[in-house]
Amino acid sequence: GNSVTQMEGPVTLSEEAFLTINCTYTATGYPSLFWYVQYPGEGLQLLLKATKADDKGSNKGFEATYRKETTSFHLEKGSVQVSDSAVYFCASQRGKAAGNKLTFGGGTRVLVKP
Amino acid sequence: DAMVIQNPRYQVTQFGKPVTLSCSQTLNHNVMYWYQQKSSQAPKLLFHYYDKDFNNEADTPDNFQSRRPNTSFCFLDIRSPGLGDAAMYLCATSTHMETEQYFGPGTRLTVT
Repeated sequence: GNSVTQMEGPVTLSEEAFLTINCTYTATGYPSLFWYVQYPGEGLQLLLKATKADDKGSNKGFEATYRKETTSFHLEKGSVQVSDSAVYFCASQRGKAAGNKLTFGGGTRVLVKP
Repeated sequence: DAMVIQNPRYQVTQFGKPVTLSCSQTLNHNVMYWYQQKSSQAPKLLFHYYDKDFNNEADTPDNFQSRRPNTSFCFLDIRSPGLGDAAMYLCATSTHMETEQYFGPGTRLTVT
């Protein structure tokens, strides 16, 4: 089956610290991979994506690289801000044969303190 | 800006009283999705429309229905809300099934 596992939170950091959120997936073939961010009381926003092995998605200082050999898509940011406090969801999307559905990880809450 | 809009942002309904949540999009996307998200959990897909074709997830309760009268609008109807249906309801759209999904801000439903 298709599943996504991400590290449990909450992750508490000080401002300007380095952030890593681990995400691994299980799927046959080559799913597309996404990171979504959800700010308090809001819907999900697409943060970045990668559609094939070795692709690097980046946005707003966040990066994630599609690693086929380790089936991972870890999210990183070099210097977090208080405004990065949110819940982050890793997701995979398989192809047409699997219904193209998004499979989400459980979410990781990040709290950045000043 | 092209976007996904959900109304209302907050909805309170009584136990057993039908309620309708609304989603509209200016992206002209073919696919519209409804997700249920309970506190601290990942979103759970309820159903989606590809154009006018409705696709229900196998484990979506019959209490949840949907309508898509045109490309721009999609509605979620909860026929008899229970306390367990209190959640955030997220609408999303995509151009096709294999492309990324864009989410609206959500409607938080409270059942009293």
